[in-house]
Amino acid sequence: GQQVMQIPQYQHVQEGEDFTTYCNSSTTLSNIQWYKQRPGGHPVFLIQLVKSGEVKKQKRLTFQFGEAKKNSSLHITATQTTDVGTYFCAGPLQGAQKLVFGQGTRLTINP
Amino acid sequence: DAGVIQSPRHEVTEMGQEVTLRCKPISGHNSLFWYRQTMMRGLELLIYFNNNVPIDDSGMPEDRFSAKMPNASFSTLKIQPSEPRDSAVYFCASSYTIVYGYTFGSGTRLTVV
Repeated sequence: GQQVMQIPQYQHVQEGEDFTTYCNSSTTLSNIQWYKQRPGGHPVFLIQLVKSGEVKKQKRLTFQFGEAKKNSSLHITATQTTDVGTYFCAGPLQGAQKLVFGQGTRLTINP
Repeated sequence: DAGVIQSPRHEVTEMGQEVTLRCKPISGHNSLFWYRQTMMRGLELLIYFNNNVPIDDSGMPEDRFSAKMPNASFSTLKIQPSEPRDSAVYFCASSYTIVYGYTFGSGTRLTVV
């Protein structure tokens, strides 16, 4: 079945370092969505990418959708302690209204 | 907008008891999703409804789990009888269309002892 894989599973950085998580789908996606879940919290929608090669920025966060629409990345520049959490990518299952979530990348930061 | 509202926030119950989790989606959202999250299995979709109709329940673990959506503003997930392996955080999410992303509730942390 359709799968969405994320790497790495865990990432620990020093505050101020950059961070990147990668997302790969087994099938072409119509769009890719990113969510952030803080420890003890619930997933919160961050952004959606739709176009091939699309790049979007939210302050220190840069999201990219691959040319083939099968992969995506989230890059955080100069991490801050508020960036701690698990970042999920998700893509819609073909022909359905449901999202397939990656297993997430858990980011921890040493202040 | 109060967002997606789930109750209770925490539930501790004994094995064999019935557990009912509740969800109020965002008004105007026509899709509702129930997820279960554990460290081992991550986020698992249990079932989703579109316009109050169950569309896909392939993620429901077994017959002990059932979900209903009697109207556009309310859904329940029931586990009967509960087992320790059902311990997890259960999230409800709603969306207008899949294109606009999901809004998740704060979740119900279920512990079955």
